[in-house]
Amino acid sequence: GAGVSQSPSNKVTEKGKDVELRCDPISGHTALYWYRQRLGQGLEFLIYFQGNSAPDKSGLPSDRFSAERTGESVSTLTIQRTQQEDSAVYLCASSSSRGRGNTIYFGEGSWLTVV
Amino acid sequence: GENVEQHPSTLSVQEGDSAVIKCTYSDSASNYFPWYKQELGKGPQLIIDIRSNVGEKKDQRIAVTLNKTAKHFSLHITETQPEDSAVYFCAATNQAGTALIFGKGTTLSVSS
Repeated sequence: GAGVSQSPSNKVTEKGKDVELRCDPISGHTALYWYRQRLGQGLEFLIYFQGNSAPDKSGLPSDRFSAERTGESVSTLTIQRTQQEDSAVYLCASSSSRGRGNTIYFGEGSWLTVV
Repeated sequence: GENVEQHPSTLSVQEGDSAVIKCTYSDSASNYFPWYKQELGKGPQLIIDIRSNVGEKKDQRIAVTLNKTAKHFSLHITETQPEDSAVYFCAATNQAGTALIFGKGTTLSVSS
């Protein structure tokens, strides 16, 4: 597609439920990122995928968070047993290749509210 | 790991004035420094970036300067317009070179 596509755009879930957020990167982009942005805050790195290499999971805040990506296609971020502090915008981004200096393009985000 | 500090957190200017946002980073190995603009309800969009082999880069009303020795870089917006109002984020690559680490953002308000 023309840009990074994320779904759902908005999600309200009850505390304790699991949620899945989806990201379609820009076609041909090998690198994919997930970030979290709490209200009025900066972007917090969660996880990075590059092709078939092992992902960099160093930003995942707890074992309730996981993400998958098959090859260079769609990625899914899963949050298990959601808590109120998980409420945030989850931003996906992609870039054309690994390494420093490649432009990273963001999607519009998935707004998650845990009630 | 990499740490990026951004100042000020809020900035209010009159239309036509200049605006300057400053960032510092901790990892001397970082060599890519983009700036993103985020409008309400939207994802961040790249507005300008600079690499470590360059000290300054300009694109119309926007410029970025980099001081590698001091490990700081700045965004300069001249002749500000109301549509420049947004949250601006600076970023630097992390130690592994796998992702960008962002500052906490600056909310710029341009009043006419």
